[in-house]
Amino acid sequence: GENVEQHPSTLSVQEGDSAVIKCTYSDSASNYFPWYKQELGKGPQLIIDIRSNVGEKKDQRIAVTLNKTAKHFSLHITETQPEDSAVYFCAASISPKAAGNKLTFGGGTRVLVKP
Amino acid sequence: EAQVTQNPRYLITVTGKKLTVTCSQNMNHEYMSWYRQDPGLGLRQIYYSMNVEVTDKGDVPEGYKVSRKEKRNFPLILESPSPNQTSLYFCASSSATTSSYNSPLHFGNGTRLTVT
Repeated sequence: GENVEQHPSTLSVQEGDSAVIKCTYSDSASNYFPWYKQELGKGPQLIIDIRSNVGEKKDQRIAVTLNKTAKHFSLHITETQPEDSAVYFCAASISPKAAGNKLTFGGGTRVLVKP
Repeated sequence: EAQVTQNPRYLITVTGKKLTVTCSQNMNHEYMSWYRQDPGLGLRQIYYSMNVEVTDKGDVPEGYKVSRKEKRNFPLILESPSPNQTSLYFCASSSATTSSYNSPLHFGNGTRLTVT
């Protein structure tokens, strides 16, 4: 089955700096890659996703890049703010229709933005 | 407000005492799923359901049961809980169907279960 590895497990950045989280996946058939943000005491919430026919996607201060050849994808957060402090999860899916949302998650990255 | 509601938020129980964690969504989603979250392991899928009366195993189904008698509800049942089921549990739903590709998951706020 699919295996997703996520690095680093913790990341501390100064407010205003950039943060980068990297994930690798094992199954070359994976074609959907979402990123979720989990704030303390809450469930994960989708922040951005990318499909395999796109190499990069941006939404304000966050961007995701995908390298299908190398089977890795990354989340980039620019101009970090204290409210970016959270746990971030990457995920990958082959999206067979019969299995609906069959997501395999990475182990998570705890991001701390220091004022 | 569109949401996934789980109850209870916190639960402490003893080995072998049956328990149920409830999950309800108000978005008319066909797809619902249960995950457990453990440090360093991310979220692992326990069971999922594509529609009423249709359920299937995820990656870690041992020791769990589910049912989907109504579209909005998807309870998670631990018939005989054990300490290795101590974890943070999340219910999620999405508009994914058997004829559509992945759709964003909407998660509940979690249930922290401790089994002693």
